[in-house]
Amino acid sequence: EVQLLESGGGLVQPGGSLSLSCAVPGFSLNNYAMTWVRQAPGKGLEWVSTIGTADNTYYADSVRGRFTISRDKSKSTLYLHLNSLRADDTAVYYCVKGRGGRNPDSRIFDSWGQGTLATVSS
Amino acid sequence: IQLTQSPSSLSASVGDRVTITCRASQDISTSLAWYQQKPGKAPKLLIYAASTLQSGVPSRFSGSGSGTDFTLTISSLQPEDFATYYCQQLNNFPLTFGGGTKVEIK
Repeated sequence: EVQLLESGGGLVQPGGSLSLSCAVPGFSLNNYAMTWVRQAPGKGLEWVSTIGTADNTYYADSVRGRFTISRDKSKSTLYLHLNSLRADDTAVYYCVKGRGGRNPDSRIFDSWGQGTLATVSS
Repeated sequence: IQLTQSPSSLSASVGDRVTITCRASQDISTSLAWYQQKPGKAPKLLIYAASTLQSGVPSRFSGSGSGTDFTLTISSLQPEDFATYYCQQLNNFPLTFGGGTKVEIK
């Protein structure tokens, strides 16, 4: 069974930074695109960022220039670095695995972590 | 690409046939997936490529459509199906989700 284990959420002040991690012990990051999806309290799902198998990256307009997605294949860990945080970044952040490494499978989300809550508030 | 789901919520009884629609703001061929989310849980993939059932998902779930209009159907609603359902387009970045449809018990 695929496991995605997020950590790093917490309370941060507006303008602050946070780093989220997602450990994926059961499979190789070489073979799958990985994505972060967030969900504000009581709201719907919002795609945040995707990193492809060639380390190509994509961002939502709302986070581009503030968030950075990366991964360490040797540690089987995905990261999301969040800078210049705003109140509307408050959400549960899900680490998500694509079905594969190539389109369209890379954009189909077949395994999700349990989520980690990031709260931006003074 | 904007995705509009309807209805935003519905009430139904066990055994009912339920249909949820998702309309895309432009042609996305069959580049659409459906997810189910229960309260406090992560979403779960149900259908991709508009009509392909994900492994392990019960056959009472089905998807159809292409272009701009898509449908998720639950043929006979079961107690465990009460949840919120989201469509997602995977045709272009930025990837987008519909606003969700909450299926409640009548």
